[in-house]
Amino acid sequence: QVQLVESGGGVVRPGRSLRLSCAVSGFSFSLYGMHWVRQAPGKGLEWVAIISYDGNNQDYADSVKGRFTISRDSSKNTLYLQMNSLRPDDTGVYYCAKQGGSGFSYYGLDVWGQGTTVTVSS
Amino acid sequence: EIVMTQSPATLSVSPGERATLSCRASQSISSNLAWYQHKPGQTPRLLIYSASTRAAGVPARFSGSGSGTEFTLTISSLQSEDFALYYCQQYNNWPPLTFGGGTKVEIK
Repeated sequence: QVQLVESGGGVVRPGRSLRLSCAVSGFSFSLYGMHWVRQAPGKGLEWVAIISYDGNNQDYADSVKGRFTISRDSSKNTLYLQMNSLRPDDTGVYYCAKQGGSGFSYYGLDVWGQGTTVTVSS
Repeated sequence: EIVMTQSPATLSVSPGERATLSCRASQSISSNLAWYQHKPGQTPRLLIYSASTRAAGVPARFSGSGSGTEFTLTISSLQSEDFALYYCQQYNNWPPLTFGGGTKVEIK
């Protein structure tokens, strides 16, 4: 079945780096755009980043632009989020999510991982 | 950036009753709106896209309506498993994708 499994979360000091991974299975990874969405403690959902199905286009929320980098490896069916210069307000649960609709079509985020927790604290 | 505003923040409903959740966009987003259900400790679930199209496997008691700036998610007869947080999200003008602040549907 379609499955997304995140890993790489943990506790890190402000200013340090962390790389999240999202292993996918059950669908043709290279056909779909992929996203990262996060949820800070007690807050709502916040979109973080997108990478296009072919990996040629990326975009970011202003809050992470210049610090985070999204990438994908189709040979490994894995999505990544490299997070640098982490701040306390980056703390939260990070979800990877599959874009509904192949190519550049968007019909919501139709499959989500279980999330991985990132805590940025001194 | 398009701002999405959901109301009410909390909705208290008895099982079997109808729940009506609202979502307003700061500018017209046509029908480019999705709704998600999120239960604590679980994965968010896509319910509705294109404002009114149910995602695969979503029960018929969930329905979406609206266009432009005003949208509604209706749960016709609340079941115990429906008590959760609900978010709307616009995808008319993105990035960024923007979510509303959420509506918590709780047992009355």
